[in-house]
Amino acid sequence: GAVVSQHPSWVICKSGTSVKIECRSLDFQATTMFWYRQFPKQSLMLMATSNEGSKATYEQGVEKDKFLINHASLTLSTLTVTSAHPEDSSFYICSAREDNSNQPQHFGDGTRLSIL
Amino acid sequence: SQQGEEDPQALSIQEGENATMNCSYKTSINNLQWYRQNSGRGLVHLILIRSNEREKHSGRLRVTLDTSKKSSSLLITASRAADTASYFCASMNRDDKIIFGKGTRLHILP
Repeated sequence: GAVVSQHPSWVICKSGTSVKIECRSLDFQATTMFWYRQFPKQSLMLMATSNEGSKATYEQGVEKDKFLINHASLTLSTLTVTSAHPEDSSFYICSAREDNSNQPQHFGDGTRLSIL
Repeated sequence: SQQGEEDPQALSIQEGENATMNCSYKTSINNLQWYRQNSGRGLVHLILIRSNEREKHSGRLRVTLDTSKKSSSLLITASRAADTASYFCASMNRDDKIIFGKGTRLHILP
């Protein structure tokens, strides 16, 4: 089945650091990738949708200068949390989908980000 | 809120019993998907049902969709300890956006 690799799986860093998270589709081409944020025992909140070769579409309330998304190829999207602060600590999950919107999303295993 | 609603929020049943979870959504959809999430992990896709379908089966899973009521249900039959997880529905609307429900935490008791 389709596999999405996300890394790192766990990051601890100091306040003010920028952190990059990678999301790769390993055996399929992902026209669209999604980035979610999840707080403990809560659902996934869509942060942004990225399409290969174009700018990401951010959800209301998500700062695009804070959460930089790059989808440079059909197999790789990156999320960079710039100048991270403790309130950015969360579980970040990416997903990828082939070009048909009636296909399921395939999820990475998530990245737990802890900002000290 | 962008989220759909699921009920119950938490469910504990004995191993071997059936588990039913419900989901409601707000807008017209192209399809609805169910996912499972084990603690601290990503989501695993279980089943996708299109808006013109009413019922779908996959192994011990049965999903129904009622577009007139904007609701869906997931039935897991003959539950096992390994089914303990959180279950989320995700509706894909006409704008190609996926909205997740709040999830049901299922606990299978031995």
